[in-house]
Amino acid sequence: EVQLMESGGGLVKPGGSLRLSCAASGFTFSSYSMNWVRQAPGKGLEWVSCISSSGQYIYYADSMKGRFTISRDNAKNSMYLQMNSLRAEDTAVYYCARGPEGSGLNYFDPWGQGTLVTVSS
Amino acid sequence: SYDLTQPPSVSVSPGQIASITCSGDKLGNKYVCWYQQKPGQSPVLVIYQDNKRPSGIPERFSGSNSGNTATLTISGTQAMDEADYYCQAWDSDTAVFGGGTKLTVL
Repeated sequence: EVQLMESGGGLVKPGGSLRLSCAASGFTFSSYSMNWVRQAPGKGLEWVSCISSSGQYIYYADSMKGRFTISRDNAKNSMYLQMNSLRAEDTAVYYCARGPEGSGLNYFDPWGQGTLVTVSS
Repeated sequence: SYDLTQPPSVSVSPGQIASITCSGDKLGNKYVCWYQQKPGQSPVLVIYQDNKRPSGIPERFSGSNSGNTATLTISGTQAMDEADYYCQAWDSDTAVFGGGTKLTVL
């Protein structure tokens, strides 16, 4: 069974940093692109970032560029999101979601259960 | 930036056809996906590449995409289909989601 498990969320002060992790199992992690998608409380979905299967290609939403860094460790079947200079508007549930094989930009399936990040003083 | 527009809400009676639209400039030239999200749960892919259903998704879910509008159609809508639905497409290496549509099955 394909599983994605996020961790690392929590309460952080404005301007602070947090590192999220996504542990994958049940599939050949190194063959698939991976994504982070977030959802503010009571709001819609917002794509954050994508990393290709090898890590060669990386994409960010404009509002995250320069503050967030996506990475992966295929040996550990894990993906990460380093978030710096956090703002109140970054408060959201952060989901990891698998993309298609390789470097394609396509659908997100499946999704993890999400980890809540709260930015507040 | 590229925008996708969905109606905030759609209502349907059980057993009837529900149609949820997603509009964007020249959207028909892009692949569209649809996600279902029930309260307190993670999104689930229900349609990808305009009209393909992932394994495990009921046949009553279908999709189309032409011109500036993509449509998710649920035939024989059931109470269990009540959820938020989001369309999604890629534009210039950026994934874009619609604002979401709350489907109410009355």
